[in-house]
Amino acid sequence: GESVGLHLPTLSVQEGDNSIINCAYSNSASDYFIWYKQESGKGPQFIIDIRSNMDKRQGQRVTVLLNKTVKHLSLQIAATQPGDSAVYFCAVPPGAGSYQLTFGKGTKLSVIP
Amino acid sequence: SQTIHQWPATLVQPVGSPLSLECTVEGTSNPNLYWYRQAAGRGLQLLFYSVGIGQISSEVPQNLSASRPQDRQFILSSKKLLLSDSGFYLCAWSVGPTYEQYFGPGTRLTVT
Repeated sequence: GESVGLHLPTLSVQEGDNSIINCAYSNSASDYFIWYKQESGKGPQFIIDIRSNMDKRQGQRVTVLLNKTVKHLSLQIAATQPGDSAVYFCAVPPGAGSYQLTFGKGTKLSVIP
Repeated sequence: SQTIHQWPATLVQPVGSPLSLECTVEGTSNPNLYWYRQAAGRGLQLLFYSVGIGQISSEVPQNLSASRPQDRQFILSSKKLLLSDSGFYLCAWSVGPTYEQYFGPGTRLTVT
């Protein structure tokens, strides 16, 4: 089955700097990827998604990059703000025909004012 | 717009007691429903999912069970709680065929 891993469990950045959170996946057939943000004590919140026919997708202050060759994706947050402090998860469907998601363990982003 | 509710928000239960957590979704029909558990500082573990009334798939063998008595209602139960059942329980929904899941606010369960 699909496995999803985060490169760093914690990340501290200065307010105003850019943040990069990385994720690796195992199934080369994976065709859809999601990033979630989970604030303390709350449920995860959808941030952005990307399909495998794209290398890059941009949202408001966030960009997701997908490198299918090395099975790696990253979430970039521009001008990181204190409100960005949270745990970030990447999620990938485990296989074709399944609408379940396999979640990585998460990276805790701390923004230093 | 769609909303998802979970209750209670927090729960403290003794070992061996029963459990019932409820999740309801509003504003959509025939959603896929999911129960996840999240241990402290850990990722999300899928426990159950349901594609329709009375249809439950279990991902992890355990002393928990799930039921879906109505289209937009999903219940997580246990007859006898274990200490290891402590955690943050999250309900989520999606509408097929899509992958995007939307999560409820969660229930913090502490088994003492």
